Amino acid sequence: EAGVTQSPTHLIKTRGQQATLRCSPISGHTSVYWYQQALGLGLQFLLWYDEGEERNRGNFPPRFSGRQFPNYSSELNVNALELEDSALYLCASSFTEVDTQYFGPGTRLTVL
Amino acid sequence: KNQVEQSPQSLIILEGKNCTLQCNYTVSPFSNLRWYKQDTGRGPVSLTIMTFSENTKSNGRYTATLDADTKQSSLHITASQLSDSASYICVVPWGAGNNRKLIWGLGTSLAVNP
Repeated sequence: EAGVTQSPTHLIKTRGQQATLRCSPISGHTSVYWYQQALGLGLQFLLWYDEGEERNRGNFPPRFSGRQFPNYSSELNVNALELEDSALYLCASSFTEVDTQYFGPGTRLTVL
Repeated sequence: KNQVEQSPQSLIILEGKNCTLQCNYTVSPFSNLRWYKQDTGRGPVSLTIMTFSENTKSNGRYTATLDADTKQSSLHITASQLSDSASYICVVPWGAGNNRKLIWGLGTSLAVNP
């Protein structure tokens, strides 16, 4: 069974640009979560999608947004990139919100 | 305030030695606690989950304990290997439904040296 996949592995953007990150959950999982992990820091919850809808979001500005598609894959969009957005962005999936979250390998976003 | 605090922040041990990582939480109400292992630059991987009624649970060389009265959990690693070098993160869920979220500790960075 394939795990959570994310693309791209690395992404380099300049300040002010927009970034799109993609995530495919484990087959059968309907919940997808996005986290930001800046270098040397803990995971910061960004967004939670379930059954195509945004269920909850963390303390991040509106320029962080996303969506979940009918096949449960998800996109994270970051507009007007700032230098401090440079981080590892992790996607996780689970059957329901009470189940263990399984993480993908992450997308390393670098903003120059 | 719901918090998860881990100690030590970092730890260096020699290969073959044992170590214990600590997690204190103030999350209430409490349902379960998870330990994750995160290799550098990779996503976290679940090691074990401790529910309210469990005191000890082992997963190979990893043994987790939980004291719900003192709100403390520990992760003991036996006969450490170089591949154990990683960040170990304690996570406690809080809330229900759409308000449910995971309270993540900052992790303990473990380095196992030859």
